Amino acid sequence: ETGVTQTPRHLVMGMTNKKSLKCEQHLGHNAMYWYKQSAKKPLELMFVYSLEERVENNSVPSRFSPECPNSSHLFLHLHTLQPEDSALYLCASSLVPSEGYGYTFGSGTRLTVV
Amino acid sequence: AQSVTQPDIHITVSEGASLELRCNYSYGATPYLFWYVQSPGQGLQLLLKYFSGDTLVQGIKGFEAEFKRSQSSFNLRKPSVHWSDAAEYFCAVASGNMLTFGGGTRLMVKP
Repeated sequence: ETGVTQTPRHLVMGMTNKKSLKCEQHLGHNAMYWYKQSAKKPLELMFVYSLEERVENNSVPSRFSPECPNSSHLFLHLHTLQPEDSALYLCASSLVPSEGYGYTFGSGTRLTVV
Repeated sequence: AQSVTQPDIHITVSEGASLELRCNYSYGATPYLFWYVQSPGQGLQLLLKYFSGDTLVQGIKGFEAEFKRSQSSFNLRKPSVHWSDAAEYFCAVASGNMLTFGGGTRLMVKP
């Protein structure tokens, strides 16, 4: 257990469904991140929240919608996804400002879009 | 902009053999460097990090890494690999609060 908890661990959804991924940390961190990890592709940074404000949105399609209600919780709302969105979605947290702190990752949600 | 290159996509070593995973970075200032390990279906776990000072950094699970500024490298080493070390390894450099990751090296361990 790393201190960053992601639920669910596995999710299968149809292209017309709406679902949400949840990430929770109680490490006292104040920045949270969503990454997408697809097979044979590098880690892709999707969104960054620092002090509960979105500071990064890396050209992610609008079918992905993040939400950060407080510094301990981060959601990724999913709707009308495509099969190519199937991947491991990783949440991470860190302390800002602290350049050398590094990230603590959750175990990820394995998403399959059918 | 910063970047990280891990030249080896796959590496296979025999159990008990030594290991070196390569990492080269591009960054204008003094870098903060990290190595993470990812077991199948899991998140990334921090192995070690370099901020400043001693260029040889010790980490968990018997790993170490050496920072070489002249070569812009931060290679990960282990003197004797165990079967449980089979995983994917990621090198990363920090810029502000953002980490930039390399493409990863998948390590396979032969009995």
